[in-house]
Amino acid sequence: AQSVTQLDSQVPVFEEAPVELRCNYSSSVSVYLFWYVQYPNQGLQLLLKYLSGSTLVKGINGFEAEFNKSQTSFHLRKPSVHISDTAEYFCAVTLSGGYQKVTFGTGTKLQVIP
Amino acid sequence: DAGVTQSPTHLIKTRGQHVTLRCSPISGHKSVSWYQQVLGQGPQFIFQYYEKEERGRGNFPDRFSARQFPNYSSELNVNALLLGDSALYLCASSLVGLRSVSTEAFFGQGTRLTVV
Repeated sequence: AQSVTQLDSQVPVFEEAPVELRCNYSSSVSVYLFWYVQYPNQGLQLLLKYLSGSTLVKGINGFEAEFNKSQTSFHLRKPSVHISDTAEYFCAVTLSGGYQKVTFGTGTKLQVIP
Repeated sequence: DAGVTQSPTHLIKTRGQHVTLRCSPISGHKSVSWYQQVLGQGPQFIFQYYEKEERGRGNFPDRFSARQFPNYSSELNVNALLLGDSALYLCASSLVGLRSVSTEAFFGQGTRLTVV
């Protein structure tokens, strides 16, 4: 079975500073990786996904993530955050192909400080 | 185009009652999944349906059941509600099915269930 670990439950960062949200996964087979964002009282919105190919994935709102198979990591980065980026971010994994069961991490709350 | 729609948005129930939550997937999507998100945690997989058949089930008791209709909409039913069932219930739809390449799951806004 696959699992996801998000190492930081909360990350405070000043506006316009860079940020990295860490994610490590565990699986014995090939996986697809995702980052979702959840604003208060909202559902989940996909930021980006890694299915195959280039290990550097660019998403919406200026976010990007790098898939590192040797370190089983999929860290999310943004070079300059904005107040509107304040939200909870979830790393998620699903087995490549087959059922669309998505396993989520526990989430990281990004707090952008003015 | 309409996204994934869920109803109701909020619900308050008493312990022991049952509840039915509804989900309409994006037009053309045949796969629907249900997730439970307890406050402060990530979503937990409950069920996946594809072409009206259950294709996956998470670690939830038999009090939880679901079904998918011919128009691909879905219902999640929970019987004998417990206080611990209080959560945000998320529905996701996707084009993915059995033995297909995994792509994006589109989530609805969720139904906030409070059990008192």
